[in-house]
Amino acid sequence: AQTIHQWPVAEIKAVGSPLSLGCTIKGKSSPNLYWYWQATGGTLQQLFYSITVGQVESVVQLNLSASRPKDDQFILSTEKLLLSHSGFYLCAWRDWGYEQYFGPGTRLTVL
Amino acid sequence: AQKVTQTQTSISVMEKTTVTMDCVYETRDSSYFLFWYKQTASGEIVFLIRQDSYKKENATEGHYSLNFQKPKSSIGLIITATQIEDSAVYFCAMREDASSSFSKLVFGQGTSLSVVP
Repeated sequence: AQTIHQWPVAEIKAVGSPLSLGCTIKGKSSPNLYWYWQATGGTLQQLFYSITVGQVESVVQLNLSASRPKDDQFILSTEKLLLSHSGFYLCAWRDWGYEQYFGPGTRLTVL
Repeated sequence: AQKVTQTQTSISVMEKTTVTMDCVYETRDSSYFLFWYKQTASGEIVFLIRQDSYKKENATEGHYSLNFQKPKSSIGLIITATQIEDSAVYFCAMREDASSSFSKLVFGQGTSLSVVP
């Protein structure tokens, strides 16, 4: 069975500080991976997707970047956080079907 | 551009009753996929059920079923015999451009369901 892990569980960061969020999936080779952002009380917005190591496509520009250094790892980062970056960040993967399965998420508070 | 709209912000129902949540979508594609997800209070997002646009039969999965009305671009989620644990936010989502591996998944605004004893 596939498992998806995100780290950290939660972060409190200052405006202007750097950020790195991680996602790892086990039990699935070469998955399609996705990053989503959810404002408090809001809907999910797809940020990035990746179908293979070293390849990442941006869906929405939010002054964030993503990388896929390994087949089972997806990283979301920025050098300078903004207040608007606060929210819930979710990683997801897609199997041969079309539905996506989500990780537990990381709650980010920017002060 | 594709768009998914859930007009019901919140619904409250009695336990063991049936509830329907509405969702309408906009797309130019002839082939697309529709999904319903549930987000629990902890933030966990769970895939519930999927409807393929080319299928006429409504999808069912346990006590979840769909009311797919293609001419109306509508995909309602029906939960029968509701339980307290069904209390959550429910999101409708659409994936168009079925032939592409990079197709975007667009979510509606969500409907908060409260099941009371």
